[in-house]
Amino acid sequence: GDSVTQMEGPVTLSEEAFLTINCTYTATGYPSLFWYVQYPGEGLQLLLKATKADDKGSNKGFEATYRKETTSFHLEKGSVQVSDSAVYFCARSNDYKLSFGAGTTVTVRA
Amino acid sequence: NAGVTQTPKFQVLKTGQSMTLQCAQDMNHEYMSWYRQDPGMGLRLIHYSVGAGITDQGEVPNGYNVSRSTTEDFPLRLLSAAPSQTSVYFCASSTSTGGTNSPLHFGNGTRLTVT
Repeated sequence: GDSVTQMEGPVTLSEEAFLTINCTYTATGYPSLFWYVQYPGEGLQLLLKATKADDKGSNKGFEATYRKETTSFHLEKGSVQVSDSAVYFCARSNDYKLSFGAGTTVTVRA
Repeated sequence: NAGVTQTPKFQVLKTGQSMTLQCAQDMNHEYMSWYRQDPGMGLRLIHYSVGAGITDQGEVPNGYNVSRSTTEDFPLRLLSAAPSQTSVYFCASSTSTGGTNSPLHFGNGTRLTVT
């Protein structure tokens, strides 16, 4: 079935380091792709999205590009802050639901 | 703005007990859904609804019932709790059916422990 695979964590970084979280998806249909973020004790919230091939989603310094040829949607940020510590979920649309990856826990140390 | 409100925040049940997790949204969203979050497994869809009076099963519906009598409310019922249902439960809503191109708005979750 339709699925999403993202890199396992946890990931620990120092402030101002570069962050990449890999995400690949199954290529059936023409899905929209999303990154959601979950801060401690909260529900998920949308970070960015891309609805078609070669689209780039961006928000809060994060970026991800919809790569159809590699079925990927990797999340990147050039200089992370302590406040970016959270769990990040990649997701793809699938009829009446979203299919989520397992989540990657990111911890940024000052 | 209240958004999506879930109650309770925490609950402990004994095996075999039943309970209802409440979810309400004040954004007039047609689409509502329930997910469970387990370590290493991401979020898995339990049930969803595309409008009042309409519900359907997701990936892991067994042991759960839902109803959608109003646009605002989408309660999740555990019929006979089992330890395998220990999880964090999230309710989410969206303007469009399936939330595929409109963002899902999540509640803050209910942490359920079944002993």
